[in-house]
Amino acid sequence: EAQVTQNPRYLITVTGKKLTVTCSQNMNHEYMSWYRQDPGLGLRQIYYSMNVEVTDKGDVPEGYKVSRKEKRNFPLILESPSPNQTSLYFCASSPTGTGAYEQYFGPGTRLTVT
Amino acid sequence: GEDVEQSLFLSVREGDSSVINCTYTDSSSTYLYWYKQEPGAGLQLLTYIFSNMDMKQDQRLTVLLNKKDKHLSLRIADTQTGDSAIYFCAESINDMRFGAGTRLTVKP
Repeated sequence: EAQVTQNPRYLITVTGKKLTVTCSQNMNHEYMSWYRQDPGLGLRQIYYSMNVEVTDKGDVPEGYKVSRKEKRNFPLILESPSPNQTSLYFCASSPTGTGAYEQYFGPGTRLTVT
Repeated sequence: GEDVEQSLFLSVREGDSSVINCTYTDSSSTYLYWYKQEPGAGLQLLTYIFSNMDMKQDQRLTVLLNKKDKHLSLRIADTQTGDSAIYFCAESINDMRFGAGTRLTVKP
């Protein structure tokens, strides 16, 4: 089944404790992206990747890192999480990053930083 | 940056039509999209329209685009309780920008 998977689905952590949210897609998509969803603000893009070893900042990259060593995986790293990073995070992928492209979304990771 | 704006809430009765509106500000947007998010799930693409079109129909869904006013709407005919969800408008040029989402509630 074609899908985007994220792990973990739920995470409660403390300020400053490094964490990684994994994202994997099995559709051989070139483009992958991370978003955060906050009430009243919709989805805001954190980072995106047009292909392996190519990553770029989105609208809200501060406090996050990403890597794209393999086509299928695009982990989101929070080196020192803070409470303002409490949010719902979505990973998405699409065949390409330009034109009319449908983005396939993962199920989301709900992160709480205390 | 450019903004995509939508009203946050819409409530309709089952069987009525729903119209969800969106305005965008970047006139160079080439594609505009409607995504649906059901509770506890990620977003799923409902439909999209190319910027040189003014209307697209797909079963119960009608998308209208007024490029002059930068206004996009999604009409759902014969709205059902299963249509209750959050609907996101999005535009893309090189990356994709989403609105805040409109929560549609369908009352029986």
